[in-house]
Amino acid sequence: GALVYQYPRRTICKSGTSMRMECQAVGFQATSVAWYRQSPQKTFELIALSTVNSAIKYEQNFTQEKFPISHPNLSFSSMTVLNAYLEDRGLYLCGARPGQGTLYFGAGTRLSVL
Amino acid sequence: DAKTTQPDSMESTEGETVHLPCSHATISGNEYIYWYRQVPLQGPEYVTHGLQQNTTNSMAFLAIASDRKSSTLILPHVSLRDAAVYHCILRVLNQGGSAKLIFGEGTKLTVSS
Repeated sequence: GALVYQYPRRTICKSGTSMRMECQAVGFQATSVAWYRQSPQKTFELIALSTVNSAIKYEQNFTQEKFPISHPNLSFSSMTVLNAYLEDRGLYLCGARPGQGTLYFGAGTRLSVL
Repeated sequence: DAKTTQPDSMESTEGETVHLPCSHATISGNEYIYWYRQVPLQGPEYVTHGLQQNTTNSMAFLAIASDRKSSTLILPHVSLRDAAVYHCILRVLNQGGSAKLIFGEGTKLTVSS
């Protein structure tokens, strides 16, 4: 079956530092990857949509300078949160999709900022 | 900008059939209706999706209104494991042709024994 693994599952970083999170698709080719953030209030925000061999499209209020994303092949993507502050805390979710098929989510990386 | 409206919460008892409503009055002709569910400490889990026709799978039955402005996810014989937040989502096509899911708040379904 299609599985998406994210790691680390949770991480704590000091305010102003950066942390990198990874996403691995197993059992299918992740043609596109969507990164979301779920706030502590449980609302979802789409950060960016990455399609292999295409430019990464960031949503309003999110930038490459703050959330650089790498999607080098059909099974792996990573995203870094640069200069993390309190407002960046939340559950970061990676959703991977084969072609125009169903989006499968990982369990998320929970970021806490001290 | 969520395009769907759902009740905040619903309560049920084990064995019941649960109907989870969703309103999407501004849906466009090429937008699919997706349902995901999420339990604490996990990412959203795919449940089902549809465009115009009703659909069914091992998890649920999706009833889509003929005008597509609303849909209902029907969970037969719920168990404690079905307790989750159920998200009704539209798959929106970007200008470049790629698709994105716009989440709303979802309905928190509680199941009692």
